[in-house]
Amino acid sequence: AQSVSQHNHHVILSEAASLELGCNYSYGGTVNLFWYVQYPGQHLQLLLKYFSGDPLVKGIKGFEAEFIKSKFSFNLRKPSVQWSDTAEYFCAVNDGAGSYQLTFGKGTKLSVIP
Amino acid sequence: DGGITQSPKYLFRKEGQNVTLSCEQNLNHDAMYWYRQDPGQGLRLIYYSQIVNDFQKGDIAEGYSVSREKKESFPLTVTSAQKNPTAFYLCASSIGTGYSGANVLTFGAGSRLTVL
Repeated sequence: AQSVSQHNHHVILSEAASLELGCNYSYGGTVNLFWYVQYPGQHLQLLLKYFSGDPLVKGIKGFEAEFIKSKFSFNLRKPSVQWSDTAEYFCAVNDGAGSYQLTFGKGTKLSVIP
Repeated sequence: DGGITQSPKYLFRKEGQNVTLSCEQNLNHDAMYWYRQDPGQGLRLIYYSQIVNDFQKGDIAEGYSVSREKKESFPLTVTSAQKNPTAFYLCASSIGTGYSGANVLTFGAGSRLTVL
């Protein structure tokens, strides 16, 4: 079965600091990769996704993620965080091409201090 | 506006009682899902349905049941057999067609169940 590891449970940053949240998965085959975000009081929503092609994908609000197949990683980055980025971030991976089953990581809470 | 409506938002239940959580979507999505979210545990898949009258167990289906009689509706019943039912339950849907559509999920606001 697929497993997804998010390395940090809680990250605290000051505004304008750079962000990198780690995500590693276990499945060795073809996968779809996602980052979802849950802002306080809001629904979970898609931040960005990778299906194929350029391993550097860009999402909403200036976030990007890089797929490194050899490292089974899909780390999320943002060069300069804002207070409004305070949220919980979830990495998710499917079990194979066309699979309906997404496996989520345990999430990373990001707190940005003004 | 298109979206997913979950009800109730908060629910309290006594031990030994079954409870049904509602999930309705007007996105015309084929696939629907139920996830359970516990603090520090991420989201775990309970059940999913790709089409009407068909559904599959996820990772933690024991103690839960679902039905999919209509495309727009996917209710979840938490039965008395679920040993630790207190949790936040999230319903989601996806276009569900083809390689790339299946995993782009739209989520509802969630239902918080507390067993007293």
